[in-house]
Amino acid sequence: DAGVIQSPRHEVTEMGQEVTLRCKPISGHNSLFWYRQTMMRGLELLIYFNNNVPIDDSGMPEDRFSAKMPNASFSTLKIQPSEPRDSAVYFCASSLYGLPNTGELFFGEGSRLTVL
Amino acid sequence: AQTVTQSQPEMSVQEAETVTLSCTYDTSESDYYLFWYKQPPSRQMILVIRQEAYKQQNATENRFSVNFQKAAKSFSLKISDSQLGDAAMYFCASNYGQNFVFGPGTRLSVLP
Repeated sequence: DAGVIQSPRHEVTEMGQEVTLRCKPISGHNSLFWYRQTMMRGLELLIYFNNNVPIDDSGMPEDRFSAKMPNASFSTLKIQPSEPRDSAVYFCASSLYGLPNTGELFFGEGSRLTVL
Repeated sequence: AQTVTQSQPEMSVQEAETVTLSCTYDTSESDYYLFWYKQPPSRQMILVIRQEAYKQQNATENRFSVNFQKAAKSFSLKISDSQLGDAAMYFCASNYGQNFVFGPGTRLSVLP
């Protein structure tokens, strides 16, 4: 079975540009999470969706960040305009909420973003 | 609110030896999940082991085992016969009702 698929794996952009990160969760999973990982702040939850509906977006840093999940098999995280402090690894993860489940998160390989 | 603490930012172990990584957590829930994830330099987050809080028996996966002390809210990971490939960041995490909380991580070095 395919795992969580993220694209792009690496993105280098200039300050002010729009960045779009993409995620395809595991088929059948009904919860999707976006995390950001930096050396200084560790792993931070940005937002999570349940059945395509955003449940908790309190971790989204500011209005420059937005996330959508138009259907059960696709989500995007957009940063507009990007800033150097947004440089990080962005992980998408999915899980199955409800029975039966193993309670675990399945992570994608991450998208490394560098904003110059 | 749930919290997860890993008090050891870095650890090292000799190849073939045993090492224990510590984790404590705080939750008011009675039924939840606990995990250890491994993040090697490739940055992929890999599940190492899972423990369901209602199960008293400690989980074991090959060379990896946990010491789950529910009353003390402690969940340590023991790695036996350490291998060079075990070198990574290890994250302890808890989950209750899709509320996943991760600790800050412990960087494990394996010395040849």
